[in-house]
Amino acid sequence: GIQVEQSPPDLILQVGANSTLRCNFSDSVNNLQWFHQNPWGQLINLFYIPSGTKQNGRLSATTVATERYSLLYISSSQTTDSGVYFCAVERTGGFKTIFGAGTRLFVKA
Amino acid sequence: EAQVTQNPRYLITVTGKKLTVTCSQNMNHEYMSWYRQDPGLGLRQIYYSMNVEVTDKGDVPEGYKVSRKEKRNFPLILESPSPNQTSLYFCASSFFPSGGEQYFGPGTRLTVT
Repeated sequence: GIQVEQSPPDLILQVGANSTLRCNFSDSVNNLQWFHQNPWGQLINLFYIPSGTKQNGRLSATTVATERYSLLYISSSQTTDSGVYFCAVERTGGFKTIFGAGTRLFVKA
Repeated sequence: EAQVTQNPRYLITVTGKKLTVTCSQNMNHEYMSWYRQDPGLGLRQIYYSMNVEVTDKGDVPEGYKVSRKEKRNFPLILESPSPNQTSLYFCASSFFPSGGEQYFGPGTRLTVT
């Protein structure tokens, strides 16, 4: 099956710093999403981005489907950005969703 | 408000006592799915449904049953829960059976003693 790898596994930032999270996948996909799981366990949709680039405030994401990776950029980090960031993919022609192991982010004041 | 709801949010039960976790969505989505989240293992798909009366296994279906008799509801059934099913469970839905953006419910924390 399709493999999804996220890096780095853990990240500690100061408030105001920028960061890039990476998601590599091993097969072509027709769906890629980024989620933020907050400290209360809630999964929040960040981006639906099977290809291309999107921006939402301090967050942006780019997926290069032909090279099988996606990047999530966080600029001017805030303490509320802390939590775990997941990417999830659906292989082209399939219906199953595979999650990466996540990147755990801690933003300290 | 467009949303996916799950009930109960928290449940402590004993081994072998049948239970059902309900999931409902009000967005007329065709696709619904169940996941479990365990420390160190991330989120794994249990079952999914592409439409009414159409369900299929995800990566970890053992010990679970599902049904999709109505478009809006997708209950998860544990016929004989065991301690290894202690987990955080999420229900999700999307408009399209394939390639659609998924929306997640708030989660159900289940403890089986």
